[in-house]
Amino acid sequence: LAKTTQPISMDSYEGQEVNITCSHNNIATNDYITWYQQFPSQGPRFIIQGYKTKVTNEVASLFIPADRKSSTLSLPRVSLSDTAVYYCLVGDFRDPTAGNKLTFGGGTRVLVKP
Amino acid sequence: NAGVTQTPKFQVLKTGQSMTLQCAQDMNHEYMSWYRQDPGMGLRLIHYSVGAGITDQGEVPNGYNVSRSTTEDFPLRLLSAAPSQTSVYFCASSDRSAGAKNIQYFGAGTRLSVL
Repeated sequence: LAKTTQPISMDSYEGQEVNITCSHNNIATNDYITWYQQFPSQGPRFIIQGYKTKVTNEVASLFIPADRKSSTLSLPRVSLSDTAVYYCLVGDFRDPTAGNKLTFGGGTRVLVKP
Repeated sequence: NAGVTQTPKFQVLKTGQSMTLQCAQDMNHEYMSWYRQDPGMGLRLIHYSVGAGITDQGEVPNGYNVSRSTTEDFPLRLLSAAPSQTSVYFCASSDRSAGAKNIQYFGAGTRLSVL
């Protein structure tokens, strides 16, 4: 599984756009990029997944450059309720043998201020 | 649709006691896993299962046992609790079938304290 590197923390203000970049230099051809969100005292929750270019859903956008060595999660117009930890995972989740490598790193702690 | 259900939500044990953390999912997912999360840390994989009767170790398996007799249930057993096992435990399941995104669905967690 590709090793990922994310900033430890980020501060933002309500209404701003938050961009979190994840580095994954050794991403493999079959690997997908998946982001999860975790609120205090809750389990992580899926936000978005992509393979290349740009993916958008009702919550966030995911930008992946052509070389796929990094990805950026974009949260538009954040509110106080977006304060959470955001995790970037990279791997070929279709491969059952990848199960023992599905680990979450420390994530990025995002604090949204009023 | 209940998703992933973990019981109990809270548990206090004495050193040396054993217990089983329960996890059940109603989504017919083949893949299930157990994680532990220590304060301010990310999640670390303890054990996982790719289907009934098949389990394997994750990153931190020592002190824990698992079994998978049915698709729905994946209990985690602490054999002899130690203070180092004080943590929050999360169970997750995901769909590994062709075309699925393999999104992991997590339970609400079990908060365990070992005194």
